[in-house]
Amino acid sequence: ELKVEQNPLFLSMQEGKNYTIYCNYSTTSDRLYWYRQDPGKSLESLFVLLSNGAVKQEGRLMASLDTKARLSTLHITAAVHDLSATYFCAVDMSQAGTALIFGKGTTLSVSS
Amino acid sequence: GAGVSQSPSNKVTEKGKDVELRCDPISGHTALYWYRQSLGQGLEFLIYFQGNSAPDKSGLPSDRFSAERTGGSVSTLTIQRTQQEDSAVYLCASSFDGRSGNTIYFGEGSWLTVV
Repeated sequence: ELKVEQNPLFLSMQEGKNYTIYCNYSTTSDRLYWYRQDPGKSLESLFVLLSNGAVKQEGRLMASLDTKARLSTLHITAAVHDLSATYFCAVDMSQAGTALIFGKGTTLSVSS
Repeated sequence: GAGVSQSPSNKVTEKGKDVELRCDPISGHTALYWYRQSLGQGLEFLIYFQGNSAPDKSGLPSDRFSAERTGGSVSTLTIQRTQQEDSAVYLCASSFDGRSGNTIYFGEGSWLTVV
C-alpha cells in the first residue's frame, strides 16, 4: 500500500523565516503535485513536478523532487502571513492506472 | 465560469437516505476524480475516470458508494443509505489527461452532513 508522509503536520513560523516541508512516499513515481488549501476552501494547484530533479519556484515557494529518494520538498523563503494555509503533496499514480494519493497535509501558520 | 462545477454545494440529509452529488468537469478534460475530505483530514481517493477506460473504483469505501460518468463528461457520485460517518466534503477534480502529468483542477466541493 502506498504511503505518503508529510512532515511536519503543523508548523508555526515567524514572518521572515525560512522553512522546509518534507513529503516522503513509499513507491515508485516520477510525478508529484503540491496543493494549497485555505480554510473552508478547495485546493489550489501550486506545482506539478514531472521528473527526477525537477525544481519549480513561484514567489516565496520552491518545490523539488528526488524520485530516487522518493522525496519532495516545499521550501518557504522569508515567510509572510499570506502563506498561512494547509499544504498537501500528492503522488501521481496514473502510470499504475490510479489517481493522486495525498499526504495528510501540513498546516502552516505564519505570525509577525 | 470555466472551472470544475459541483452541486449541491451543501446537503443535509437524514441517516438512511440516498444522496446524489454532481460534478461538471472542465470542458475537454478526459480525467475525472472524486475525493472525500473529512473535517481537518487529508483527501481520501474514491474513484478515477480516464476517458473510455474502466474506472478505478479501488477507493470506494463500501458498496453503498457508486459513481458514473455519462458521455465522458458529467459525473454523479451516489451514496445509498447514508450513515453519519459519510459526513464530509466530497471534492471532484478534472484534468486534460490523467496519464500525462497535466494540472488537476479541483471544484469547490459538496459539503454533506448526515443527521
